[in-house]
Amino acid sequence: GQQLNQSPQSMFIQEGEDVSMNCTSSSIFNTWLWYKQDPGEGPVLLIALYKAGELTSNGRLTAQFGITRKDSFLNISASIPSDVGIYFCAGQRGGSNYKLTFGKGTLLTVNP
Amino acid sequence: NAGVTQTPKFQVLKTGQSMTLQCAQDMNHEYMSWYRQDPGMGLRLIHYSVGAGITDQGEVPNGYNVSRSTTEDFPLRLLSAAPSQTSVYFCASRKQGAGTDTQYFGPGTRLTVL
Repeated sequence: GQQLNQSPQSMFIQEGEDVSMNCTSSSIFNTWLWYKQDPGEGPVLLIALYKAGELTSNGRLTAQFGITRKDSFLNISASIPSDVGIYFCAGQRGGSNYKLTFGKGTLLTVNP
Repeated sequence: NAGVTQTPKFQVLKTGQSMTLQCAQDMNHEYMSWYRQDPGMGLRLIHYSVGAGITDQGEVPNGYNVSRSTTEDFPLRLLSAAPSQTSVYFCASRKQGAGTDTQYFGPGTRLTVL
């Protein structure tokens, strides 16, 4: 099946630092999504990207849809303790089945 | 709206037992899906449904059955549980035809098979 390579697997940062994570694929996706999962909860959508080259912000979060449609990155600026969690990228190829392929996640730890 | 609800929240089974994980949504979403989440594996699609009476297999369907008799409910059945099915199971729903940003996940069911 399709694979999404998400990196890094984990990050340990100090409060106030900026964070960057990315996903790459050998296949083209029509949509890229970024989710955050808090412990014991289901994933919650952070940002959705629909066009190659698109740059979208949501507060301190910024994500971009790569020009080749095979990659995406997520940046978090001025991290705070509540940013702790697992961040997932997901890609959708389009069509009528709406199936998502997920990356394996980036575990973010923020030290106050 | 309650959103996407899942029951039970926790379950322990013995090998060979059967059970049904319940999922319900009150948002009139056509599309519903089941994922399993294992450490280091991300979320993998088990089965999905694009509407009542229509289901299809995802990436890891073996050992699981689903049915969709109503728009609201999408139960996942384990007919003979195996230790390899120990995982966290998430149900999700979305509005057909809308942007993907309408997809919502439930809180998960944590299943242990001994």
